[in-house]
Amino acid sequence: EVQLLESGGGLVQPGGSLRLSCAASGFIFSSYAMSWVRQAPGKGLEWVSSISGTGGSTYYADSVRGRFTISRDNSRNTLYLQMNSLRVEDTALYYCTKGTAVSAYYFDFWGQGTLVTVSS
Amino acid sequence: QLVLTQSPSASASLGASVKLTCTLSSGHRGYAIAWHQQQPEKGPRYLMKLNSDGSHSKGDGIPDRFSGSSSGAERYLTISSLQPEDEADYYCQSWATGIYVTFGGGTKLTVL
Repeated sequence: EVQLLESGGGLVQPGGSLRLSCAASGFIFSSYAMSWVRQAPGKGLEWVSSISGTGGSTYYADSVRGRFTISRDNSRNTLYLQMNSLRVEDTALYYCTKGTAVSAYYFDFWGQGTLVTVSS
Repeated sequence: QLVLTQSPSASASLGASVKLTCTLSSGHRGYAIAWHQQQPEKGPRYLMKLNSDGSHSKGDGIPDRFSGSSSGAERYLTISSLQPEDEADYYCQSWATGIYVTFGGGTKLTVL
């Protein structure tokens, strides 16, 4: 059974940093692209960032490029999102998602989400 | 730029069928999409990947009541025999070369 368990969310001041983690199980982690998707309160889904199965290719939404860094540790079956220079508008529930292949970005499994609140 | 367009809302009666639409932007009519369901106060759940020829592969445990079809730039999600638990937001999603991922704005389905 595929499981994605996010952690690391919390309350942070504008300009601060947070590191999200996503522990994956139930599939061969290195064989699948992984992504982060967020949802602000009362809003729709917004793609944040993706990484290929090998970790060799990374992609970012314009809204986070230069501030967020996605990475993965295939030996630990874990996905990360380092978030720096956080803004109030980054407040959202952040979901970890699994892609359908090593370089395919349709999302076939979702985690339960971790809440990031940016506020002074 | 790949853009997915969805109607903001839809409604249908309990036990009836409803067809939701996701429209791909010009130049992208050959793209596949994924459909996702988000029930109130829950995380999203993958329903299916839908190709331009109408073939689709559903996620684990998705009932037969959910099906997909395609016509030109339109991608459809049909839900038959509507149940109360089908009341949810439905999002289409795709991705494009150069890798950017996009979601439609979502359709809020009300089961009457």
